[in-house]
Amino acid sequence: SQKIEQNSEALNIQEGKTATLTCNYTNYSPAYLQWYRQDPGRGPVFLLLIRENEKEKRKERLKVTFDTTLKQSLFHITASQPADSATYLCAIGGYQKVTFGIGTKLQVIP
Amino acid sequence: DGGITQSPKYLFRKEGQNVTLSCEQNLNHDAMYWYRQDPGQGLRLIYYSQIVNDFQKGDIAEGYSVSREKKESFPLTVTSAQKNPTAFYLCASSIEGREGTDTQYFGPGTRLTVL
Repeated sequence: SQKIEQNSEALNIQEGKTATLTCNYTNYSPAYLQWYRQDPGRGPVFLLLIRENEKEKRKERLKVTFDTTLKQSLFHITASQPADSATYLCAIGGYQKVTFGIGTKLQVIP
Repeated sequence: DGGITQSPKYLFRKEGQNVTLSCEQNLNHDAMYWYRQDPGQGLRLIYYSQIVNDFQKGDIAEGYSVSREKKESFPLTVTSAQKNPTAFYLCASSIEGREGTDTQYFGPGTRLTVL
């Protein structure tokens, strides 16, 4: 069956370090993968989209990689700040709909 | 301000009652979606609509109904047939909804508690 896996355990890092979140998928052949940020009690907010023919995408302090051989995407936040603390969701785009992972909670400690 | 709104933010209902959650967008998006989010689970798609007067079941449509009479509005009714209705409900919209490149814009959510 199709599955999107994100580390359900929270990730705690020190302020200023680089946070790396992982998204693995099985039984998908996605053409696109998206990352969203969700704060408690709020709706997710789109961050980045990467296509299968793109190895890497950057936006300010954010970087996403996409390895279709490993069936994995990595999401990096460099120079992390306490304001980056949130849950980050990866999502795989398909025809007419998007399927979301469970999300990884990131806590940046001052 | 362009955006997507949901009301109310918190909703309480007695078991056995139907309840309708509102979702409105002024982004001129064709596609709209309803998701349910439970602790420890990802967003699960309930219904989606790509165009007015048309909608499709998602992965967990049982016990829910929707309508799409206007482009801006996509209300969700949680019926008494839904066995575990207590959850956080999220509405979203996207420009077209046909390809996975569509960014989804989410509303603030409605937390429904059935007593």
